[in-house]
Parts: sequence; C-alpha cells; structure tokens
Amino acid sequence: EIVLTQSPATLSLSPGERATLSCRASQNVGTYLAWYQQRPGQAPRLLIYDASNRATGIPARFSGSGSGTDFTLTISSLEPEDFAVYYCQQRTNWPPGSFGPGTKVDIK
Amino acid sequence: QVTLRESGPALVKPTQTLTLTCTFSGFSLTTTGMSVNWVRQTPGKALEWLALINWDDDKYYRASLKTRLTISKDTSKNQVVFTMTNMDTVDTGTYYCARTSRYYGSGSYFDNWGQGTLVTVSS
Repeated sequence: EIVLTQSPATLSLSPGERATLSCRASQNVGTYLAWYQQRPGQAPRLLIYDASNRATGIPARFSGSGSGTDFTLTISSLEPEDFAVYYCQQRTNWPPGSFGPGTKVDIK
Repeated sequence: QVTLRESGPALVKPTQTLTLTCTFSGFSLTTTGMSVNWVRQTPGKALEWLALINWDDDKYYRASLKTRLTISKDTSKNQVVFTMTNMDTVDTGTYYCARTSRYYGSGSYFDNWGQGTLVTVSS
C-alpha cells in the first residue's frame, strides 16, 4: 500500500501570505497525484490533478508541482476562503488509491 | 451542473446493515468513463475510498472491507445504492458519494462530491 505523508500538519498564516504544502509518497507515484480542499462542513473539492493541472474553475493562485515521491501545493496569496484543510490523493494503484492525512491552513 | 446527494439513516446499531443511496444529476452512468464512488471520512482514518461502480457495471471494493460491501446502480433513476453489513462503532463517520470521470486524468480523481451524510453507529 502506498502511504502519503503531508507536512506540516498545521500551517498558520495571514491573508495575503504564500502557503507551501508538502505531500510525500512512500513509493513512486509518477505524476498521478491530486490535491483537494475541504472547508469546514463541506465536502472535499478537487483543486489539482496529475500533480500540476488545475481543475475547472480553480483560481490561478493554486498551483501544484512535483513528481515521483515529492509534491507541493502552493497558494500564492491566501484569500480568506482558502483557510481550510488540504488533502493529497494518489491514484497509481487505482482502485483504491489513497489519501494523505491532511494539512490544515489556519489564520495566524 | 453536476450534483450528487446522499440519503440514508443517520443512526444505525452495531451489527446492523447500512444502506445509503446516492441520487445524482447532470451526468449519466451510461456514459463511457463515468463512475460513482463511495468515500468515507472517519476521525481515525481520515478519507478512505470504499467502493465504485462503473458505467459498464464493473464494481470494485476496498479489499479489507470487501466481504461487507455491495454497490449497485439504477440508471433509470440516476441512483447508486451502497450497503455495508455488520456495522461497528469504528464505522462512524461521514459517507460521501463522489464521481470520477475521464475528464480528469484517467478517471480516478473525484471531480464532484455530494455533501456527505453523517452516520453514527451506536446502540
């Protein structure tokens, strides 16, 4: 089973700051990785797929990079609605794939 | 506009069977590449994929839970039904139905989600 590790667990930042979130896979997943945003009380929302492609309607301030085992989600300038939990998901062995434990971005 | 909505009991007793229905609109499960999945979110295991059903009626289940899970579809009603037998307190969590499609990658990213339904297992 491929295990995803996300760091940090919590990231405390102010609106307008840059957020850098990390996802590390226990095995090579190529670029088969997605990022999701989950706001309180809501379902996850697909942000990035195949490591670096934005899903439809996702603002350009969200970007993804990486390949193999190390991936990054960057939010260039945090908006108030971006304070949420972010999950990575790999699909190399789909199904089932797997999700990371999440990074919470909260307001400093 | 794609929408999915879960319905079912909020409370089940240990050993009982959970039955959830996903009613969707904005797409057809007869379209090649479309799938509906069930994903749960529990305090202990975060997000966990459970099962999927494809447009061609192929079905896949999480290996560790396979003996307890069943998924089926009714394309005339745009519904997917999910059952989990022998419920336990550790199965308490929010259950989501979510679509995967070939619009993103090869069809294994969840591009639309229902709002989720909280299921509590308690006597």
